[in-house]
Amino acid sequence: DQQVKQNSPSLSVQEGRISILNCDYTNSMFDYFLWYKKYPAEGPTFLISISSIKDKNEDGRFTVFLNKSAKHLSLHIVPSQPGDSAVYFCAASRVNTGNQFYFGTGTSLTVIP
Amino acid sequence: DAEITQSPRHKITETGRQVTLACHQTWNHNNMFWYRQDLGHGLRLIHYSYGVQDTNKGEVSDGYSVSRSNTEDLPLTLESAASSQTSVYFCASSERLTNSPLHFGNGTRLTVT
Repeated sequence: DQQVKQNSPSLSVQEGRISILNCDYTNSMFDYFLWYKKYPAEGPTFLISISSIKDKNEDGRFTVFLNKSAKHLSLHIVPSQPGDSAVYFCAASRVNTGNQFYFGTGTSLTVIP
Repeated sequence: DAEITQSPRHKITETGRQVTLACHQTWNHNNMFWYRQDLGHGLRLIHYSYGVQDTNKGEVSDGYSVSRSNTEDLPLTLESAASSQTSVYFCASSERLTNSPLHFGNGTRLTVT
C-alpha cells in the first residue's frame, strides 16, 4: 500500500521553463516532507524540505508547496536547466516515528536544451 | 567532508548464500537506515538503528538483519539470499530523530542468481 505516490513516471521540459513535479500522500499524520534528486549510479541527494506548519519553502531555483487539505505537495524548478535532468523522489515522515520516511516511486525529469 | 560509504558497489551471489553489505558513515550520526529501491516501489525501509546496540525492523525486513556495534557502521546481512532480494540497496543516516533529512550512500547493486 503506497502511502506516498508520484503518479507521473516521467516529465520533459524545455530549458528555461518551469518544471513542476507532483506528489500525493494518503496519511494525514505525515508532518515532514522531503524532495530528493537522484542521478544514475548515485545515491539520492537531499534538495529541499517542508514542515506541515508551512505551505511553502523556497531555496534558490527550488520551491516546494504543501497543500495539507488535498494531501498534495509539488516541487517547482525555475528556470529548469539540463543539469536538473534526474529522477526526483518525494518522501514523508510521521510525527514521533523517529525519522522513518516513506518514499514515492519517483519522476524522471528530462530538461531539453 | 563527511560521507557514507557503501561496499561493494556491485555484488552477484547465488540463491541461498549469506551476503553482507557494508555501510560506513563519518557524519557521527546516531541514526542509520537501510532502504531498498525497486522499480514501481520507490525506496522501502528495511532496518534502522538509533544508536549502538539498537536495531529495529522496517517495512520489508523479512530475510534481512543488521547489527550496530559502533556509531560508524551498520552492516546489512541477507541470511539466505533469494531472487526477490535482487535490488539496489541504500544506506542512509540522519542527524536528528525528527525533521532531519537523510544523507545517502551511493548504493550497492545486488543480483541474486
